[in-house]
Amino acid sequence: GAVVSQHPSWVICKSGTSVKIECRSLDFQATTMFWYRQFPKQSLMLMATSNEGSKATYEQGVEKDKFLINHASLTLSTLTVTSAHPEDSSFYICSARVPRGGYTFGSGTRLTVV
Amino acid sequence: AQSVTQLDSQVPVFEEAPVELRCNYSSSVSVYLFWYVQYPNQGLQLLLKYLSGSTLVKGINGFEAEFNKSQTSFHLRKPSVHISDTAEYFCAVRFSGGYNKLIFGAGTRLAVHP
Repeated sequence: GAVVSQHPSWVICKSGTSVKIECRSLDFQATTMFWYRQFPKQSLMLMATSNEGSKATYEQGVEKDKFLINHASLTLSTLTVTSAHPEDSSFYICSARVPRGGYTFGSGTRLTVV
Repeated sequence: AQSVTQLDSQVPVFEEAPVELRCNYSSSVSVYLFWYVQYPNQGLQLLLKYLSGSTLVKGINGFEAEFNKSQTSFHLRKPSVHISDTAEYFCAVRFSGGYNKLIFGAGTRLAVHP
C-alpha cells in the first residue's frame, strides 16, 4: 500500500520549453507532497512542500516562478519546470506523507535539457 | 540549526563482512529518523524508521539501526553484507513542527566487493 506513481520516468526537452512532472498517490489520499531535486552523486534537496488546495511552500533559494507546483486534488501534485535550461537538468523525486509517520517516494524523473 | 550528517561518503567492504553507516543529527526538537536505500536512477526504498519505542529498530534485508538520543545518532548496521547491498544509503530526519518535511543527509555509497 501507499504507492506514489511518478511520470514520466525520463524526459528530454529543448532549452526554453516547459516540462510537467506528475506525481499521483494510487491508494491513499496525499494532503501533503514534497518535491526534491537530486544532482548526480548528491543528496536529495527539498525544493518545496505542496498542500492540497493551497499554495506550495518553497525552500530558500528555489525560484517559485520557475518551478510551478500545483496540488489540485488529494491524489495529484504536479511540478512544472518553466523555460527549462541545461542547468535545470537533474533527477526530480516526489514524496508523500503516509499514515503512521512514514513517507513514500516516487520512482523519480530524469530531466535532460538540451 | 537542524541538520543531518552522514560521516562517510563512501564505505568499501568485502562480501559477508559487517558494516556500519553512520548518521548524526542536530536538533533541539523531537525527531523521527529514517534510513533509505537508492539504486541507480531509481527512487528511494525505506529500510527502517524510528518513530518511538524501542531504540533498536530492525528493517528489511537484514539491516538494523539504533537510536541514541544522547549522542544524537542513528547508525545503520548489517552483520553480513551481500554484493546486492551495493547502493547509496540516505539517512533522513523529520523535525517536528512545520509541515514535517524530511531532511536528508549527504548519502553514503556502500560498495561491496567479492
